Amino acid sequence: AQSVSQHNHHVILSEAASLELGCNYSYGGTVNLFWYVQYPGQHLQLLLKYFSGDPLVKGIKGFEAEFIKSKFSFNLRKPSVQWSDTAEYFCAVNEDNYGQNFVFGPGTRLSVLP
Amino acid sequence: EAGVTQFPSHSVIEKGQTVTLRCDPISGHDNLYWYRRVMGKEIKFLLHFVKESKQDESGMPNNRFLAERTGGTYSTLKVQPAELEDSGVYFCASSQDLEYNEQFFGPGTRLTVL
Repeated sequence: AQSVSQHNHHVILSEAASLELGCNYSYGGTVNLFWYVQYPGQHLQLLLKYFSGDPLVKGIKGFEAEFIKSKFSFNLRKPSVQWSDTAEYFCAVNEDNYGQNFVFGPGTRLSVLP
Repeated sequence: EAGVTQFPSHSVIEKGQTVTLRCDPISGHDNLYWYRRVMGKEIKFLLHFVKESKQDESGMPNNRFLAERTGGTYSTLKVQPAELEDSGVYFCASSQDLEYNEQFFGPGTRLTVL
């Protein structure tokens, strides 16, 4: 069965620091990759997604992620975080097949100190 | 365009009682998914509807959980009788495009079983 791991449970950064959140998945076939974010009191929102093509994908709010197939990784990055980035971040994977459900990572809580 | 909505936002019940959660997907989305996040753990898939049919219910934990989607519009998830371990946040998501399966999530229903 597929599994998704995220390297950190809780990350604490100061504003303007750079961010990298790790995500690795176990499935060896073709996958679609997603990062979702849940801000306090809000629902899950899509940050960015990768289906095919350029492995460096850009999302909303200055986030980007790089798909490295050989490492089964899809790490999320942002060069300079803001206090408003405080949230929980989820990596998700689904098999490149019609209508497949997501397998989520356990989530990484990001706290940005002003 | 209205997003995915869920009702109620929070439910507190006693062990042994019955609770019904409702999800209204984005209009026109044939695919509807239920997920659950138990406290401190990852978001896990429960089941997937395509219109009114259950496409995949492999994630349903046991026969105390019953999901329906009559008419292929909104869906309900009934837990009967509820147990303490059913506490968590229940998310609903919908998608239109089977090929890429970008899922839009609702705000979740927080279920607390006492």
